[in-house]
Amino acid sequence: QKEVEQNSGPLSVPEGAIASLNCTYSDRGSQSFFWYRQYSGKSPELIMSIYSNGDKEDGRFTAQLNKASQYVSLLIRDSQPSDSATYLCAVNNYGQNFVFGPGTRLSVLP
Amino acid sequence: DVKVTQSSRYLVKRTGEKVFLECVQDMDHENMFWYRQDPGLGLRLIYFSYDVKMKEKGDIPEGYSVSREKKERFSLILESASTNQTSMYLCASETGSGNTIYFGEGSWLTVV
Repeated sequence: QKEVEQNSGPLSVPEGAIASLNCTYSDRGSQSFFWYRQYSGKSPELIMSIYSNGDKEDGRFTAQLNKASQYVSLLIRDSQPSDSATYLCAVNNYGQNFVFGPGTRLSVLP
Repeated sequence: DVKVTQSSRYLVKRTGEKVFLECVQDMDHENMFWYRQDPGLGLRLIYFSYDVKMKEKGDIPEGYSVSREKKERFSLILESASTNQTSMYLCASETGSGNTIYFGEGSWLTVV
């Protein structure tokens, strides 16, 4: 069974700090990786996608991928209270199915 | 922007009723999905479709069926609703190349 694992949290960080969210996956054939943010009662929204090993930056967000270690992470710099949400990691192997992790709940404390 | 629209946002149905959840996407995406999301259980795939009239079972298809008569529309059907189907249901679509999956706003179903 293909699995994606995340620490469920909650992960609490003070405002202005760096939040680090981690995800591991079991399928070595996975090719595309995504981070979604989900506010309570809302649907997931895409933050970032990453396809190659290394770092990808978009504003305050940086995704990091290490296929050899089957590990993908999301860093949020200068965390804001509005970043408080559940963050879902998703993995796809260019097939038709996406595998989602259970999500990590992030709380940014003012 | 990609738009995935779930027409029914909040529904309350009685046990045994037939329930239809409709989803429409406007980006000519090949793949469409139905998930349910429950606290502590994450997103679970019910069914997906990769083409008109084609469907594949996901992880939890029991008690559900789907219909895709047109490319843009994917319907989830609960033939006989039960209380354990109370959940948030999320429709999603994707180009078919393993690219980004886009979600609708969700349908909150309560079965009493």
